[in-house]
Amino acid sequence: GQQLNQSPQSMFIQEGEDVSMNCTSSSIFNTWLWYKQEPGEGPVLLIALYKAGELTSNGRLTAQFGITRKDSFLNISASIPSDVGIYFCAGQDGTASKLTFGTGTRLQVTL
Amino acid sequence: EAQVTQNPRYLITVTGKKLTVTCSQNMNHEYMSWYRQDPGLGLRQIYYSMNVEVTDKGDVPEGYKVSRKEKRNFPLILESPSPNQTSLYFCASSFQGTGNQPQHFGDGTRLSIL
Repeated sequence: GQQLNQSPQSMFIQEGEDVSMNCTSSSIFNTWLWYKQEPGEGPVLLIALYKAGELTSNGRLTAQFGITRKDSFLNISASIPSDVGIYFCAGQDGTASKLTFGTGTRLQVTL
Repeated sequence: EAQVTQNPRYLITVTGKKLTVTCSQNMNHEYMSWYRQDPGLGLRQIYYSMNVEVTDKGDVPEGYKVSRKEKRNFPLILESPSPNQTSLYFCASSFQGTGNQPQHFGDGTRLSIL
């Protein structure tokens, strides 16, 4: 199946720092999604992107759908301890009904 | 409260003993899907269902079966589980499978096959 390359694999940052992570794909997607997963829970949707070039914010989170439709990034500004978790990108091909996930970025925030 | 409910949350069993993981959603969603999550591999789709009586294979369907007899339920069946099916499983649903419909996930089922 398709592969999404997500980087970095993990990040250790201090509270208050900004964070950036990205995903690249070998093929195009119609939708890019960003999820966060905390221990013992399922992924929770953070941001959904529907158009190439789209830039969308959700509080301190900002994500962009790349112009080529093969990449997306997620920024978190002024990180706080509750930002800890694993962040997944996911691409959706609208015709195939399939969600392809990246391998995740594990974020640790220290005080 | 809108939710996707999986049962059981944890299960330890032995090779070859048939098991079923149930998934139920209360949002009247048409689309439901099963994923497995393994370290370093992210989430991979096992099967999905566009609507009642409509199911199709995802990326890793081998060793699994599903059924969709009712809109709200989408059980995952392991007829003869093997150790390589030890994993964390998630059920998800969305209003529709096509178009721009983000999926909502359950809290997961951790299976250990000895």
